[in-house]
Amino acid sequence: QSALTQPRSVSGSPGQSVTISCTGTSSDVGGYNYVSWYQQHPGKAPKLMIYDVSKRPSGVPDRFSGSKSGNTASLTISGLQAEDEADYYCCSYAGSYTAVFGGGTKLTVL
Amino acid sequence: QVQLQESGPGLVKPSQTLSLTCTVSGGSISSGDYYWSWIRQPPGKGLEWIGYIYYSGSTYYNPSLKSRVTISVDTSKNQFSLKLSSVTAADTAVYYCARALDIVVRWFDPWGQGTLVTVSS
Repeated sequence: QSALTQPRSVSGSPGQSVTISCTGTSSDVGGYNYVSWYQQHPGKAPKLMIYDVSKRPSGVPDRFSGSKSGNTASLTISGLQAEDEADYYCCSYAGSYTAVFGGGTKLTVL
Repeated sequence: QVQLQESGPGLVKPSQTLSLTCTVSGGSISSGDYYWSWIRQPPGKGLEWIGYIYYSGSTYYNPSLKSRVTISVDTSKNQFSLKLSSVTAADTAVYYCARALDIVVRWFDPWGQGTLVTVSS
């Protein structure tokens, strides 16, 4: 069970859009529609942003959206705001009642 | 709303057993849809799923940690616990407890604030 692959960092200017990828295999991301995304600010606990690939919990701005194609899931943040600067982690069900996280992506708002 | 709070020693000696408890408030740990989870994060690194437990006592572990991990539940106290044996410096991390929806882990929410456990002599 290997960690899902995410870019170490991405950046964008306020108002722009950024996309963070999360690549796995057919045994995790590609095999199930159970991908979730978490936002983590420094020193804080992760916060759920997206679940079931593309669903948003109540209270999460619609600037955050998720999608999946094959073994790669993506998180897109549109209309970037300063408060979006954080680390982002994807997570997928990996079969046999196990879960796996991505290595994390640091988003910098320029 | 449901809140989770981790507690336990912040310092553990190498080769000993790390023990943490997560107390659930604002809801029952016996709710049928949820699985109660442990996740850790070494300093400056990413998240690692450790395992989860159903209120009935059924447990599911990360294969890479399975030989050293035990998760248990006490429904009378609305708590669940983590034991990690034979710890080394590599087990130094912030340990989070979290609620997972469904056995296929549709999401983890909410999370506890996390507790730093340092393995050092």
